[in-house]
Amino acid sequence: EPEVTQTPSHQVTQMGQEVILRCVPISNHLYFYWYRQILGQKVEFLVSFYNNEISEKSEIFDDQFSVERPDGSNFTLKIRSTKLEDSAMYFCASVGGVQNIQYFGAGTRLSVL
Amino acid sequence: AQSVTQLDSHVSVSEGTPVLLRCNYSSSYSPSLFWYVQHPNKGLQLLLKYTSAATLVKGINGFEAEFKKSETSFHLTKPSAHMSDAAEYFCVVSDLYNQGGKLIFGQGTELSVKP
Repeated sequence: EPEVTQTPSHQVTQMGQEVILRCVPISNHLYFYWYRQILGQKVEFLVSFYNNEISEKSEIFDDQFSVERPDGSNFTLKIRSTKLEDSAMYFCASVGGVQNIQYFGAGTRLSVL
Repeated sequence: AQSVTQLDSHVSVSEGTPVLLRCNYSSSYSPSLFWYVQHPNKGLQLLLKYTSAATLVKGINGFEAEFKKSETSFHLTKPSAHMSDAAEYFCVVSDLYNQGGKLIFGQGTELSVKP
């Protein structure tokens, strides 16, 4: 069964460093998303991406964040200058087809020290 | 605006007994409602989805949920719990008619299953 894959599974970085989280959505899917889950809190929407542009973003998704689909398969989330509070599990998701179901990756755990 | 409230942060049952995970939603639009499950160190897996067809929705692994508009509820049930059901469960809402719209998650309910 097709699946969304995320790399790395765990990323450790120093505060102020840039990180790039990578996702390979299910091929032929058209909508892509990033969500995050801070430990002990609910899963929160960050951004959605369609037709090579952001279609919606939350107030969390400030100028420190950016997304890109550099080729036909990858979908990346960049955090320019990480803060301690960016430590969280980041989930990528994609949607395709009429059922409008979001399929999630296993997540990347980001630890900012 | 849309929101979801999961009424229990933790539910503990014995193996073989029924499971009930409660969820109430609020939506200005016709909602799509979902239950996702997250096993330790795994991604979010879709259990079932409601999209205005039958109000009783059957999902994977013997789970089902009933949409009750009058009560704004979408509780998840299973007649007999199995040890492998131990996981975190999320009730989720989105806008039915917004193709590609974001998901709004509840706080999650951790299900423990005792032998």
